Amino acid sequence: KQEVTQIPAALSVPEGENLVLNCSFTDSAIYNLQWFRQDPGKGLTSLLLIQSSQREQTSGRLNASLDKSSGRSTLYIAASQPGDSATYLCAVKGSGGSNYKLTFGKGTLLTVNP
Amino acid sequence: GAGVSQSPSNKVTEKGKDVELRCDPISGHTALYWYRQSLGQGLEFLIYFQGNSAPDKSGLPSDRFSAERTGGSVSTLTIQRTQQEDSAVYLCASRSDRATGELFFGEGSRLTVL
Repeated sequence: KQEVTQIPAALSVPEGENLVLNCSFTDSAIYNLQWFRQDPGKGLTSLLLIQSSQREQTSGRLNASLDKSSGRSTLYIAASQPGDSATYLCAVKGSGGSNYKLTFGKGTLLTVNP
Repeated sequence: GAGVSQSPSNKVTEKGKDVELRCDPISGHTALYWYRQSLGQGLEFLIYFQGNSAPDKSGLPSDRFSAERTGGSVSTLTIQRTQQEDSAVYLCASRSDRATGELFFGEGSRLTVL
């Protein structure tokens, strides 16, 4: 059974700092990995999607990397801003029989202080 | 529509009552998911619909939960005889049939059972 772990559970940084969020998964047989952002009381917003054949994806100040063999992904946020404060979730999509299911981590709660 | 639409956004009900939650996916998306997010917990898979195939109901926590998807579009999640432990945010997501498999979520329906 796939398990996804996100470390740290919470992170507080001053504005302008670069930061890294970590995601690890136990079964490396994945189809893709997706990073989401969730604001309080809201749904999930897709940030980046990395296919299993890819090593990284970039969107603006965000860069996500994937090392499938070691079961790890990182989300790098450059020059953080107070508006980046949210919970960040990673999810992996399996490549086996139930390859449509996403397994989610519990998220990292990020606070960027002005 | 432009995004995944869910209703109601908030529902407060008394223990023992039945509730219906609605999801209107992105137009043209063939795959539809229901997830549940409880306080302090990760996202829990409930059910998956793909086109005309039989749904994967393996995540439904009890027989009080059921879901249907009419005409390959709108989906309804029904919870009968609600219990306090059913209190959570119920999230719907849809995905196109493309290989990228990116999921798009609605804002969720927050259910509170008193």
